[in-house]
Amino acid sequence: NAGVMQNPRHLVRRRGQEARLRCSPMKGHSHVYWYRQLPEEGLKFMVYLQKENIIDESGMPKERFSAEFPKEGPSILRIQQVVRGDSAAYFCASSRGSGDEQYFGPGTRLTVT
Amino acid sequence: ILNVEQSPQSLHVQEGDSTNFTCSFPSSNFYALHWYRWETAKSPEALFVMTLNGDEKKKGRISATLNTKEGYSYLYIKGSQPEDSATYLCAVHKAAGNKLTFGGGTRVLVKP
Repeated sequence: NAGVMQNPRHLVRRRGQEARLRCSPMKGHSHVYWYRQLPEEGLKFMVYLQKENIIDESGMPKERFSAEFPKEGPSILRIQQVVRGDSAAYFCASSRGSGDEQYFGPGTRLTVT
Repeated sequence: ILNVEQSPQSLHVQEGDSTNFTCSFPSSNFYALHWYRWETAKSPEALFVMTLNGDEKKKGRISATLNTKEGYSYLYIKGSQPEDSATYLCAVHKAAGNKLTFGGGTRVLVKP
């Protein structure tokens, strides 16, 4: 049973470009969470999605960031017009149900030049 | 805003010694506490999920206790080994929501 998959593992974007981060949850998991780790900081919640629905996006910046988890395919975290401050490690986690243990992917390290 | 604190931030332990460290959280609206072990360049690995006051969980040489009334959890490592070197994260769910709020972690370095 494969774990949570994230790709790409490393992503370099120039300022102003778009970044798309993908997360495939563990088999049988329908809940996905995105967390961000800024340099020298801890993990911070961004958004929680269930298939086709955003449940909680209270940790996600209001502008330039969006997330989706379509019926088919991976969850996508999209950052438009990236700025240097977006450079961070972005982790995805999944769980079987609400409140269940969350399993983390290996993260995507985004560098904005 | 849920404030989860971990102390100490870092810890050096001699191989074979036992150690413990703390996670503190507000005791109101508590749903569950998670402990994760996070090695550099890897994903956080789930260790324990704890929900009830007085809960004790054990996995090999690592164990954890939970006190929801006073708002703290201890993680213990017995007979530390170099492979125990990692950052140990605790994270808390509030009752109403499902997001995890993480503490800053305790970085453990076990010296041979």
